[in-house]
This record gives sequence, C-alpha cells and structure tokens, in this order.
Amino acid sequence: QQQVKQSPQSLIVQKGGISIINCAYENTAFDYFPWYQQFPGKGPALLIAIRPDVSEKKEGRFTISFNKSAKQFSLHIMDSQPGDSATYFCAAWDTGTASKLTFGTGTRLQVTL
Amino acid sequence: DAMVIQNPRYQVTQFGKPVTLSCSQTLNHNVMYWYQQKSSQAPKLLFHYYDKDFNNEADTPDNFQSRRPNTSFCFLDIRSPGLGDAAMYLCATSGLWVNEQFFGPGTRLTVL
Repeated sequence: QQQVKQSPQSLIVQKGGISIINCAYENTAFDYFPWYQQFPGKGPALLIAIRPDVSEKKEGRFTISFNKSAKQFSLHIMDSQPGDSATYFCAAWDTGTASKLTFGTGTRLQVTL
Repeated sequence: DAMVIQNPRYQVTQFGKPVTLSCSQTLNHNVMYWYQQKSSQAPKLLFHYYDKDFNNEADTPDNFQSRRPNTSFCFLDIRSPGLGDAAMYLCATSGLWVNEQFFGPGTRLTVL
C-alpha cells in the first residue's frame, strides 16, 4: 500500500516534443505529490509538486495532472529540451503522520536533437 | 544561500574499514534524512531524525549508524563497509511546516 508505481522506465523524446511520465499510488493518506529531477552525480532537486485538492499545476514548461479518483498523477514536460535529459522521480508523502517520502522507481528521460 | 552540504563528495574506502559521511544544513530544519541510492534506482531511506529522535527503517542493516550532535549536523557511520554498500549517499532535510525535502549533492562511496 506504500508503493508508488512509475512508468515508463525510460523515455526518448525529440526536442520540442512532449514528455509524459505517469505515476500511480494506493495509499489514500498521501497528500503531497512532488516530482524530483536528478542529473547524473547530483542529488534530486524538487521540480514541481501538487496537493490532491487541485487537478493540475503548471510551472513554466512543467505540468502535473492529478486524478484523485484514479489515484494517478503525471508529469508533462512541454517543448522538451536536451537540457531536460535527466532521471525523474515521482514521490508521495503522507504529511500528517509520516516524515518520509515514498519514491517511484524513476524514469530516465533522453531528449534528442 | 541556505543549503544542504555533504562532505566529502567522493569517498573511497577499503572493505571492512569504517567510514563516516557528514551532512550539514543552514536551513534550520528539524528533520534530517539519510538515503542510499544505487545506480538506476530510487533513493532508499535508511533513517531519519526528527529533532533528536532517531527513526530507523526496519530494513536498514545494523552496519549503518547515525549521529546528530546538533540541529545543523548529521553523520552517517558505516561500521564495516561491504562491496554492496558502494552507492550514492544522500542527505536531505525538511522543516516542521515545510512539505518539501531538500537534498544535498550526495557522497559517492566506493568500496575497494
């Protein structure tokens, strides 16, 4: 019940295209859903996050779509750029009772020219 | 800038030789975490401190210990590193009312 399932495992997108990464969770106590971006040799960095009381959040080229009834959320990267090539982790957090993030398994994104 | 600092960035140790990794933060956050991340995997939580209260994950090996002498510093001690402990070790912090974890750059541990 604590798992967050993430897909796809890897993704190749052409420059200018849309990258879409999907995550699903089971624990309805989760109330905070961040996405982390990680470049090789670096720590994860918070990219964008959403709470379940909204269905969509947009920051620049990055959008989270959230479907509470389906217990799914996704990251859309519009106009993907080679600099977006990184590993992306979705995560979920029960901020009320737990102090720890539950991470998805990660998606390695490669944006080609 | 407020941040999470990890030292060293790269650590090489010998099989069985104790090693200590350090983390410091200028965010004044009361929660500090240690994660282990192996290649192509998600970070795996080892333990975390809520102020001075230590919380160990059930599957964290006894070989891993931690100390938090004050709010700003946290240490990860690996008593007898094995080849399987080679990984990136990430420190993170979060505040009581801040629903975000801030990660440090990590320490890459190599075990020879």
